[in-house]
Amino acid sequence: DGGITQSPKYLFRKEGQNVTLSCEQNLNHDAMYWYRQDPGQGLRLIYYSQIVNDFQKGDIAEGYSVSREKKESFPLTVTSAQKNPTAFYLCASSRRASGGNTGELFFGEGSRLTVL
Amino acid sequence: ILNVEQSPQSLHVQEGDSTNFTCSFPSSNFYALHWYRWETAKSPEALFVMTLNGDEKKKGRISATLNTKEGYSYLYIKGSQPEDSATYLCASKTGANNLFFGTGTRLTVIP
Repeated sequence: DGGITQSPKYLFRKEGQNVTLSCEQNLNHDAMYWYRQDPGQGLRLIYYSQIVNDFQKGDIAEGYSVSREKKESFPLTVTSAQKNPTAFYLCASSRRASGGNTGELFFGEGSRLTVL
Repeated sequence: ILNVEQSPQSLHVQEGDSTNFTCSFPSSNFYALHWYRWETAKSPEALFVMTLNGDEKKKGRISATLNTKEGYSYLYIKGSQPEDSATYLCASKTGANNLFFGTGTRLTVIP
């Protein structure tokens, strides 16, 4: 089945540790995204990538890093510089749309990170 | 940062009732409006992507309308069923901005 796989589903981390969340897609999509969800807020964009070996900061990139070495994979590292890392993280992908538009997003099931 | 607002925040309806909710967004430099359904413990799934003023899209018992001049979209569910229980998200893209999501409307359909 085609889709987006995120792992791990749940992750606990001590303060000061970096942690990497995995996101893999087999939809052959060019674009991939990382969003963060906090209670009472809409999904907020952390980073996105339109093509392999290229990525852009989203609205809340501070304290995060990404890489896009393969089309299928877009891992997110939550660094110790992120002040409030406890959150639910969603990865998504889309076909690259024309005219500045974003095609419909296909989401993974998310990863819940808790910092102790 | 765009101001994408959804109302109501949550609602409960009886099985068989029809319902609707609203997404409002900035109307200038509009590109697209997305609707997603997010069931508990699952991934959000796209319902509609709308770009044209006056557009109306339908998928089964769910339909959506778009008014880009006044900056709102309505999502309608006809004859709600318990499996329609979910959080419905809208997201708007304008100009060079990224897609901005509202906080969602949480729908509970009571059997």
